[in-house]
Amino acid sequence: RKEVEQDPGPFNVPEGATVAFNCTYSNSASQSFFWYRQDCRKEPKLLMSVYSSGNEDGRFTAQLNRASQYISLLIRDSKLSDSATYLCVVNPGNQFHFGTGTSLTVIP
Amino acid sequence: GAGVSQTPSNKVTEKGKYVELRCDPISGHTALYWYRQSLGQGPEFLIYFQGTGAADDSGLPNDRFFAVRPEGSVSTLKIQRTERGDSAVYLCASSHTSGGALGSYNEQFFGPGTRLTVL
Repeated sequence: RKEVEQDPGPFNVPEGATVAFNCTYSNSASQSFFWYRQDCRKEPKLLMSVYSSGNEDGRFTAQLNRASQYISLLIRDSKLSDSATYLCVVNPGNQFHFGTGTSLTVIP
Repeated sequence: GAGVSQTPSNKVTEKGKYVELRCDPISGHTALYWYRQSLGQGPEFLIYFQGTGAADDSGLPNDRFFAVRPEGSVSTLKIQRTERGDSAVYLCASSHTSGGALGSYNEQFFGPGTRLTVL
């Protein structure tokens, strides 16, 4: 079983739509969680950390459910510039485990 | 300030050859990670350094792969007897500290990667 599982998509949504990505992880000892964004042929960049209480950054909301070992990312009012691959990242210790990423294309 | 840099940006080599990939982390970052990313996949953990020592090398696929960080800054990933299956983008990342800490202190900053092609 993979450490981190994500639906690879692709998700094609119109501008202004709300879209949600989900991610599950297998290691219950995981302590830190993140969403990274990766543009085509670029390196991953941190989008946001995910805290137990859930957290919001502008149009982006991340939630963590430790009991279900589940992480989510919600993007409201999608912009064309949100088109990218979104990587779920779980950190059970020294290692950082990345999901395969979910591809998002926002259509005009 | 300067981010993580990696050289070369592209490397084409022949099967069986030896290659070295270099990573210059952000100054002051003690933690350094190497990943390998194949098309359509997320980055795959290879090795993690805390300072000069390899704290976790469990992700290295076999003994053809080796990495060093002799002075706790620059790191070199070395691949012997390259195989076509080694073709991928090799990413390096650095952070203030290792995993386990909450908050942004263990945010990883990635370099642009080295695209390795083994013919």
